[in-house]
This record gives sequence, C-alpha cells and structure tokens, in this order.
Amino acid sequence: AQSVTQLDSQVPVFEEAPVELRCNYSSSVSVYLFWYVQYPNQGLQLLLKYLSGSTLVKGINGFEAEFNKSQTSFHLRKPSVHISDTAEYFCAVSDPGTASKLTFGTGTRLQVTL
Amino acid sequence: DTGVSQDPRHKITKRGQNVTFRCDPISEHNRLYWYRQTLGQGPEFLTYFQNEAQLEKSRLLSDRFSAERPKGSFSTLEIQRTEQGDSAMYLCASSLGLAPDTQYFGPGTRLTVL
Repeated sequence: AQSVTQLDSQVPVFEEAPVELRCNYSSSVSVYLFWYVQYPNQGLQLLLKYLSGSTLVKGINGFEAEFNKSQTSFHLRKPSVHISDTAEYFCAVSDPGTASKLTFGTGTRLQVTL
Repeated sequence: DTGVSQDPRHKITKRGQNVTFRCDPISEHNRLYWYRQTLGQGPEFLTYFQNEAQLEKSRLLSDRFSAERPKGSFSTLEIQRTEQGDSAMYLCASSLGLAPDTQYFGPGTRLTVL
C-alpha cells in the first residue's frame, strides 16, 4: 500500500519570500508523484508531476519539486511567493504499474501575507 | 478542451434522501475517477471507470453508493439514504488512460446533509 505524509498542515510566509512544502511518501514499488493546488471552493489543478528522468521537475506558476528516492521525498519549492499563491497544496502518488488511483496527503495550507 | 465539469456544484439535502451527481469528463478521456474529500483532508479514491467498465471500487464505497458510466462518456454517482457522514466534496477526474497517466479534476460537488 502507498501512503503520503505532508507534515506541515499550515505554512505562513511573507510575500516575495521563498517557500518549501514538504512531502514524503511510502511505497514498495516505484511511483509517479504529483503536486496539486486547490483554491477555495474549487477542484484540484495540477502543478507538476514526476514520472521518470530528471529528478528536478518544473511546473506552472514558478513552482518546482525535487524527487529524492533515497529520502522518499518530493518537496515543492518556490523562490518567491505571491499573495495569489495562497491555497491548499496536495502531494499525491500513483502506481505506474496500474496508473489508476491517486493517494493523497492531507494537504498543506500555504498562507501568503504582505 | 473545456475541462471536466460537474453538476450540481452544491447540493443540500435532508438525511435519508437520495442524491445524484453528474460528471462530464474531458472529451476522448477513457478513464473517469470519483474521489471524496472531507474537510481538512485530502481526496480519497472511491472508484474509477475505463470507458463504461467500472474497474475498481474502494471499500469507502458502501452499498448506498452506486456509480455508472453507461456509454463511456459522462458518469453519475448516486447516494441513497444519505447520512450526515456523507457530507463532503465529491470530485471527479478524467484521464486518457495511457501511461504515464495524468488526472484532471473537475470543480467538485459539495454535498451537505442536514
């Protein structure tokens, strides 16, 4: 069985500061990894994904994430955040063998203030 | 590409009533997924379809829940004899079904059971 841990339920940060949202996963097989963002009362929007190849993945809105197999981590980073980045961020994994359901973490609320 | 759409966006019902939600996937997407998201949690997988075939169901999907995708296009999720514990956001996602697979989410249907 796969699982995802997002240790930080909330991350407050000032505008233009850098941010890192942490994600650790557990799986007995290789995985696909994803970060989704959810704005209030909306569905999930894909930020970026790791399928294979380069461990540094760049996504939309200036976000990037690095896959670290030895530490089973896939942390999300942005060098300078904006007020509009305030949202809930979810890390998720899926099994490449079945490529079916996603297993999500509990989410991290990023709160950007002036 | 108009994205995944869901209807209704909000539903308020009384305990014991039946409700039905509809999901229209991105055209030409073969796979369709249903997830449930409760407050403060990440989405949890309920079930998915490959064309019209329902290939996997979570144990979260009790006997009161039924999902269909009769012609391999739109899908419906019905909850019979609703309970207060059914209050949640119900999310639909679709994908091409070709590895590597990426799921695209709709805006969700928020159900409130009084």
